[in-house]
Amino acid sequence: EAGVAQSPRYKIIEKRQSVAFWCNPISGHATLYWYQQILGQGPKLLIQFQNNGVVDDSQLPKDRFSAERLKGVDSTLKIQPAKLEDSAVYLCASSSNRGPRYTEAFFGQGTRLTVV
Amino acid sequence: GQQVMQIPQYQHVQEGEDFTTYCNSSTTLSNIQWYKQRPGGHPVFLIQLVKSGEVKKQKRLTFQFGEAKKNSSLHITATQTTDVGTYFCACYNQGGKLIFGQGTELSVKP
Repeated sequence: EAGVAQSPRYKIIEKRQSVAFWCNPISGHATLYWYQQILGQGPKLLIQFQNNGVVDDSQLPKDRFSAERLKGVDSTLKIQPAKLEDSAVYLCASSSNRGPRYTEAFFGQGTRLTVV
Repeated sequence: GQQVMQIPQYQHVQEGEDFTTYCNSSTTLSNIQWYKQRPGGHPVFLIQLVKSGEVKKQKRLTFQFGEAKKNSSLHITATQTTDVGTYFCACYNQGGKLIFGQGTELSVKP
C-alpha cells in the first residue's frame, strides 16, 4: 500500500514570496490533515478535510494560508505572502475514519519550509 | 478547545533505564493515540486506547489509559538506543479534530 506522498521535500523562499505544497493521501482515505510543526513542538493542526469538505480550519491563518482538496483526493496548501515565522515542517496526514470509529493517521515525509 | 498536556518535555536516560511519559487532559477523552517521531522523521502511529483503564503492551512498551479517561502513559522498559525520538499523545476531540500534545523527547545514552 502506497503511503502519503508530499512534495516538495524542501523549500527555501524569501519572505513575502508565495509557496505551495502538495499532498496525495492514501487511496480511499476520507480524512486529510495539514499540520504545521515548528522545531521542538508538537504538530499543530491547520486544517482537516473530510472528503472534500472542511471539518475544521480554526487554526489556519486565513489572511495568508489557503488549502483545498480537489475532488476529495489530493490537497494543496498555499502560503501567500510568507513570513519568517512560517518556517516549519508542513506535514500532511490521512486516515480512513469511516463511521463512528476513529483510526490511526498516516503521515507523509513532510515539507521543510525555510523563509529567509 | 480540548488540549492534551505532556510531561516531561525532555528525558535523558542511560541505556537500560526505564522511561515514562504522561499525557493529561482536563476533560474526558474518547480515545488516546500514541505516536513516535524519530529525529528528522515524521510521526508514526504506535497504538490507540479507547476503554477506561485499558492497558496494552508492545514488547517493551506499555500503554495505559486512566480510569477516568483523562490521562494516559507510555512506559518503556530497559530503553535501547533505537527508542530515541519524540513521543506524542494525540486524541480526537468532540468535533473530530486530531489534536497532538507537545511531545516528550527521549534521548538514550549508550
